[in-house]
Amino acid sequence: GQNIDQPTEMTATEGAIVQINCTYQTSGFNGLFWYQQHAGEAPTFLSYNVLDGLEEKGRFSSFLSRSKGYSYLLLKELQMKDSASYLCAAMDSNYQLIWGAGTKLIIKP
Amino acid sequence: GAVVSQHPSWVICKSGTSVKIECRSLDFQATTMFWYRQFPKQSLMLMATSNEGSKATYEQGVEKDKFLINHASLTLSTLTVTSAHPEDSSFYICSARGGTGDSYEQYFGPGTRLTVT
Repeated sequence: GQNIDQPTEMTATEGAIVQINCTYQTSGFNGLFWYQQHAGEAPTFLSYNVLDGLEEKGRFSSFLSRSKGYSYLLLKELQMKDSASYLCAAMDSNYQLIWGAGTKLIIKP
Repeated sequence: GAVVSQHPSWVICKSGTSVKIECRSLDFQATTMFWYRQFPKQSLMLMATSNEGSKATYEQGVEKDKFLINHASLTLSTLTVTSAHPEDSSFYICSARGGTGDSYEQYFGPGTRLTVT
């Protein structure tokens, strides 16, 4: 079956760095997405990885290892506004997104 | 670019009535649109996928006669919740995908919060 695993909740301190891991199993693979979702709002796109390696975009970076079925989202210089849920989603061979349950990130001062 | 709008943002309706939610891609042609439902503190649950001009593909467990989806044009899809019941109260989110080039990114609408009393 198809499955996405990511931690349910993480806590970090303002100004610090946090890494949110995601492992996936899908029928075929056409890329890995990370979305940010604030409470009561729709998800917003953060990153897309289809090749192995690290993609850096400002304070956020995303890593992919296709051989390991593994990705992580790295958030640097954490700000209070980064408190949100972070959704990992893998695209299968039919170009459908398989969603993880999301990781709730709590930022403390 | 790549803006998706939803209307209404929130709606309260009585049990037994029907509610229509619109999803529009404002600045691109959406060959595929997706409808999701999200209950509090839970992840997105895909309800159905619709391609312009064809019937929607529903996920297992989603009643197609209850959740009517129409994707009549490349910029508009509608979801109608028929004979709504309190258990249908949820956050309904649409997303759209152009499906061109190397990007299969889905652009999300702001969501519609439905409360059935």
